Amino acid sequence: DARVTQTPRHKVTEMGQEVTMRCQPILGHNTVFWYRQTMMQGLELLAYFRNRAPLDDSGMPKDRFSAEMPDATLATLKIQPSEPRDSAVYFCASGLVLSPKSYEQYFGPGTRLTVT
Amino acid sequence: AQSVAQPEDQVNVAEGNPLTVKCTYSVSGNPYLFWYVQYPNRGLQFLLKYITGDNLVKGSYGFEAEFNKSQTSFHLKKPSALVSDSALYFCAVRDRGDTGRRALTFGSGTRLQVQP
Repeated sequence: DARVTQTPRHKVTEMGQEVTMRCQPILGHNTVFWYRQTMMQGLELLAYFRNRAPLDDSGMPKDRFSAEMPDATLATLKIQPSEPRDSAVYFCASGLVLSPKSYEQYFGPGTRLTVT
Repeated sequence: AQSVAQPEDQVNVAEGNPLTVKCTYSVSGNPYLFWYVQYPNRGLQFLLKYITGDNLVKGSYGFEAEFNKSQTSFHLKKPSALVSDSALYFCAVRDRGDTGRRALTFGSGTRLQVQP
């Protein structure tokens, strides 16, 4: 049963520290998404990659957030420096987009980040 | 632009009764529509999608949704609710006319509570 995996599952860090979250998309999927979920803002799209190229990162605060796909099996989301307002659950999702019809996304279990 | 609205933060229903979770959308062209479910401490799971064809779409766990173009709605339904259906439900939309750079837009979510 193929799944999206995310590490770490939980992260507690102090303000100002660098945080790196990792995602392994489902093998063969060509799109990767990063979302942030909070009670106040709901589910927000941060970044979106297709074939490892960034298509949309307009939802991501550029001054402190960065997202990359070093290879097809790894996506990373970094926050530097982290701030308390970054506390949230961060989800990675992947999908296989062969046509505009196939927009199902498969979500990982999330990384719960707490910045103190 | 594409957007989706879920007008109810929470829906309460008794076990065995039918349930409806509402969703309305706005796109410039025709939509692709999706429903996802999120159980506590888990990522979102795909339930069903409308791409084209029959307005009534059947999905996982006995759920179905009806696409209504004139009302721009895609309400999620189930004939008989189970306590295990209690979860957070998200509607999502993508404009079919989009050239391909935009990801899904998710609604704010509706919490379904099924009472025994």
